[in-house]
Amino acid sequence: DTEVTQTPKHLVMGMTNKKSLKCEQHMGHRAMYWYKQKAKKPPELMFVYSYEKLSINESVPSRFSPECPNSSLLNLHLHALQPEDSALYLCASSPPGGGGNQPQHFGDGTRLSIL
Amino acid sequence: GQNIDQPTEMTATEGAIVQINCTYQTSGFNGLFWYQQHAGEAPTFLSYNVLDGLEEKGRFSSFLSRSKGYSYLLLKELQMKDSASYLCAGNTGGFKTIFGAGTRLFVKA
Repeated sequence: DTEVTQTPKHLVMGMTNKKSLKCEQHMGHRAMYWYKQKAKKPPELMFVYSYEKLSINESVPSRFSPECPNSSLLNLHLHALQPEDSALYLCASSPPGGGGNQPQHFGDGTRLSIL
Repeated sequence: GQNIDQPTEMTATEGAIVQINCTYQTSGFNGLFWYQQHAGEAPTFLSYNVLDGLEEKGRFSSFLSRSKGYSYLLLKELQMKDSASYLCAGNTGGFKTIFGAGTRLFVKA
């Protein structure tokens, strides 16, 4: 078990569906991240929120929409995804301080399949 | 661009010591992190270096030389459960972290 909780663990959706991935942590971390990971590849950074404000968007297509309702929650809203978006989506958080140069704690991920 | 290079695969024997190397461009990296990732699971943090030198945490140690753009992860007393991918990751400023492709370690009996 990890201290960063992601739901759902698995998600299958069609290209016209709208769904959301959820992430929650209660460690008092003030930075939260979304990564995309394809099989046998490293995680690729998508978004970073710092103190509930979007800090980094790595030129992610608009069909992915992040949201940070409060310091403990991070959502990723999905709409009109493509088959190539099938991947493991990892949420992570890190403690404040160090200008972001802190170890990250990862959730178990959501395995997303687009039909 | 900023690259992180590490070997694709390594094999070692149970009980032995293995060193996984990582090289990176010297400009723009603030800290080097090592994560372990078992197949189908999330990465877990192992060790990190901000300053040059060796950081020891039980069976795992990590070393950094910023002037040489070089880091390594040392695993002692290898166990079968250490078979996993080991990811070298660099903080490039702020909250941005770049991961290497990972080294798949196979521990054999």
